Amino acid sequence: EAGVAQSPRYKIIEKRQSVAFWCNPISGHATLYWYQQILGQGPKLLIQFQNNGVVDDSQLPKDRFSAERLKGVDSTLKIQPAKLEDSAVYLCASSSTRGTNRTYEQYFGPGTRLTVT
Amino acid sequence: KNQVEQSPQSLIILEGKNCTLQCNYTVSPFSNLRWYKQDTGRGPVSLTIMTFSENTKSNGRYTATLDADTKQSSLHITASQLSDSASYICVVSPLGGSARQLTFGSGTQLTVLP
Repeated sequence: EAGVAQSPRYKIIEKRQSVAFWCNPISGHATLYWYQQILGQGPKLLIQFQNNGVVDDSQLPKDRFSAERLKGVDSTLKIQPAKLEDSAVYLCASSSTRGTNRTYEQYFGPGTRLTVT
Repeated sequence: KNQVEQSPQSLIILEGKNCTLQCNYTVSPFSNLRWYKQDTGRGPVSLTIMTFSENTKSNGRYTATLDADTKQSSLHITASQLSDSASYICVVSPLGGSARQLTFGSGTQLTVLP
């Protein structure tokens, strides 16, 4: 089966500019996650969708970050305006259930490396 | 506060050698622990998952152990290959927790030299 797809793979922007990332999860996976991974750290959850509804966005900086999953499949994550500290890899993951503790594994995409100058 | 600490931060070994990576956690109550491999420029890929009742689990040359009493896990790599060069991340899930409550370690960066 095809994996999680993300684009672009790399993006360089200046601070205060806007940027958008796209994610296509594994077919049939109802749950989609966006993570931010700063260099040398583990991923940090930004937002979790179940189909097209938001399950958890408590760690999303809503003053500048937004995400949507309108048709319950693809998702976009937007940053506007970007700050220097947003430089990171943005990972998208999907799972076939709500991603409960036990065995419902998250499958990660390759990520988008964002550099804000 | 739930924490996952991994050691060492980085490790360099020669091809063919064995190595062991460590993961200590404070997550409680505990549900399960996963080890992920993250190649440079790629997303993490799951290697093993263990619940509190499991002591060891193998996936090819990778063997993970878990001591739920001491809250420690290790990942042992046997007969290392150049392709094992990657970051290895330990992730712990609390019992009844959500995805937000997954606690990721910072990873161990393994470099295998020829």
